[in-house]
Amino acid sequence: QVQVVESGGGVVQPGRSLRLSCAASGFSFNNFDMNWVRQAPGKGLEWVAIIWYDGSNKYYADSVRGRFTISRDNSKNTLYLQINSLRDEDTAVYYCARRRHRSTWDIDYWGQGVLVTVSS
Amino acid sequence: QSALTQPRSLSGSPGQSVTISCTGTSSDVGGYNFVSWYQQHPDKAPKLMIYDANKRPSGVPDRFSGSKSGNTASLTISGLQAEDEADYYCCSYAGIHTLLFGGGTKLTVL
Repeated sequence: QVQVVESGGGVVQPGRSLRLSCAASGFSFNNFDMNWVRQAPGKGLEWVAIIWYDGSNKYYADSVRGRFTISRDNSKNTLYLQINSLRDEDTAVYYCARRRHRSTWDIDYWGQGVLVTVSS
Repeated sequence: QSALTQPRSLSGSPGQSVTISCTGTSSDVGGYNFVSWYQQHPDKAPKLMIYDANKRPSGVPDRFSGSKSGNTASLTISGLQAEDEADYYCCSYAGIHTLLFGGGTKLTVL
């Protein structure tokens, strides 16, 4: 069955960096575009970034462009999110999420999420 | 980009129908048919309920339906059941390969 499992979260000081990982299994990872979506505590969902199935293109929300970098290693079936210069407002659960099909814009599988807490 | 506008909360009794609206602009909801809806129970990952404005993934009950008119999309839940109590989020393609979510609606089943 399709599974995506995030890791790498924790408590980080403001200004520091963090890299999140997402291990995928149960599907042909290299055939699917992948997203990161975050959710601040008690708040709504916020789309963060998407990367094409082959890593050739990456797109970001305005709120994170320049500080976040999405990447993937198809040989390891793993998606990454590098977060630099962490801010208080980056505190959130970060979800790894699969784009259902390249002809549409929706998400059919989500991980359980990983919590990032920015605090001094 | 500002989040799509959804009512913060709605409620209904078992068996009733409720409709959740999602209002955007001509640059997102009104410009594309790529509207999706997600259900999220507390401390759980979101679940896809509707895609392409009005299509249901396999496994989603036909009590859930979606529609779109102009800059507003809607999710209707008919025959409300206790397990439908959750947060619901709309999402739209917003151009230049980006997505935009709504602020979320907390649905209470009375």
